Amino acid sequence: AQSVTQPDIHITVSEGASLELRCNYSYGATPYLFWYVQSPGQGLQLLLKYFSGDTLVQGIKGFEAEFKRSQSSFNLRKPSVHWSDAAEYFCAVGPNQAGTALIFGKGTTLSVSS
Amino acid sequence: DTAVSQTPKYLVTQMGNDKSIKCEQNLGHDTMYWYKQDSKKFLKIMFSYNNKELIINETVPNRFSPKSPDKAHLNLHINSLELGDSAVYFCASSQGAGFGEAFFGQGTRLTVV
Repeated sequence: AQSVTQPDIHITVSEGASLELRCNYSYGATPYLFWYVQSPGQGLQLLLKYFSGDTLVQGIKGFEAEFKRSQSSFNLRKPSVHWSDAAEYFCAVGPNQAGTALIFGKGTTLSVSS
Repeated sequence: DTAVSQTPKYLVTQMGNDKSIKCEQNLGHDTMYWYKQDSKKFLKIMFSYNNKELIINETVPNRFSPKSPDKAHLNLHINSLELGDSAVYFCASSQGAGFGEAFFGQGTRLTVV
């Protein structure tokens, strides 16, 4: 069965520190992978995506993610966190075929301390 | 211009009522979706339409009925609302047959009292 696991429910990082949010997936075919961010009371905004090619992808707001097929992972990173990065982060997989939809992980809440 | 817009943003209603949420996208996408986000923030697909044709219909109570009058609009009608229907409902759209990323609306927070 297709699934996405985000092992960390809540992470607190000091402002200016680096960040890594973990994501593992289970998908039968070569997956399309995404990270979305949801600020309080807002919709979901796409941070970055991986379809194929270079396994290190750059996104908006200084985020990057690395696809590791051997580990079935797609971890999100940022070298220096800003207070405005506090939000809910969702990893998602698919769709790479018609008739499917994004499958989301349960999300990681990021808090930023000063 | 908002790419995917939903109305209303907030909806408070009593049990047993019928309500609708409207969604419109101006991105020219062929596929639209309804997702439900529960109180633990878990997002789950409910329905998907491609060019007005229903292509995904997850295990959702029959009280929920999506309608797509054209490929730019996907509405969600809910009959006989129950307390458990309280959630945030997100509309989304994507290009073509649904490959790739989805663009999300701002969500509709439904509270059933």
